[in-house]
Amino acid sequence: NAGVTQTPKFQVLKTGQSMTLQCAQDMNHNSMYWYRQDPGMGLRLIYYSASEGTTDKGEVPNGYNVSRLNKREFSLRLESAAPSQTSVYFCASRMDRDEEKLFFGSGTQLSVL
Amino acid sequence: AQSVTQPDIHITVSEGASLELRCNYSYGATPYLFWYVQSPGQGLQLLLKYFSGDTLVQGIKGFEAEFKRSQSSFNLRKPSVHWSDAAEYFCAVGLGNTGKLIFGQGTTLQVKP
Repeated sequence: NAGVTQTPKFQVLKTGQSMTLQCAQDMNHNSMYWYRQDPGMGLRLIYYSASEGTTDKGEVPNGYNVSRLNKREFSLRLESAAPSQTSVYFCASRMDRDEEKLFFGSGTQLSVL
Repeated sequence: AQSVTQPDIHITVSEGASLELRCNYSYGATPYLFWYVQSPGQGLQLLLKYFSGDTLVQGIKGFEAEFKRSQSSFNLRKPSVHWSDAAEYFCAVGLGNTGKLIFGQGTTLQVKP
């Protein structure tokens, strides 16, 4: 059972480049989330999806877009990367009846030069 | 506004010593509270959670936490620390039953032999 899988694990971009971070879960969870982690700031929610076909903004959505392709997959896109988006990105999912327990992927470390 | 504060950025304890990590929250309603642990290069793993009922909750790996409404605190404790407990610890408050979490800044635990 793989849980939450994120790809890639590492990525270096130049300012202005675009890329998509992929996330897939095999636990049949309804809800999925994208967080970013920055030193001294904990994790902050970028976007989330309560169910297939729905997405909503979190605390720091600017500069990002998301797609909930199906129940398993939730991708995060940077259309024009900026140095301020250098961060570690975590995808998470949740079985709604489990009252808030999130399962996290192992993260994507992104550097924007 | 909802917020979580972890006053200690870095804590060092000797192996076998007791541990207490502090967490204070600000939230208007009855909070859902969590402690997560992150080992280097890994995603976050849930240690324990509080929703209601007994204010002392037990978690995995011998950790416990006590919810004190009067102090708006949810401190994490362990009677005897093991070297494998060295990691970063995050306290979080859940925004209702949405799966959206507000994280504290994190506390890095170092364990001395």
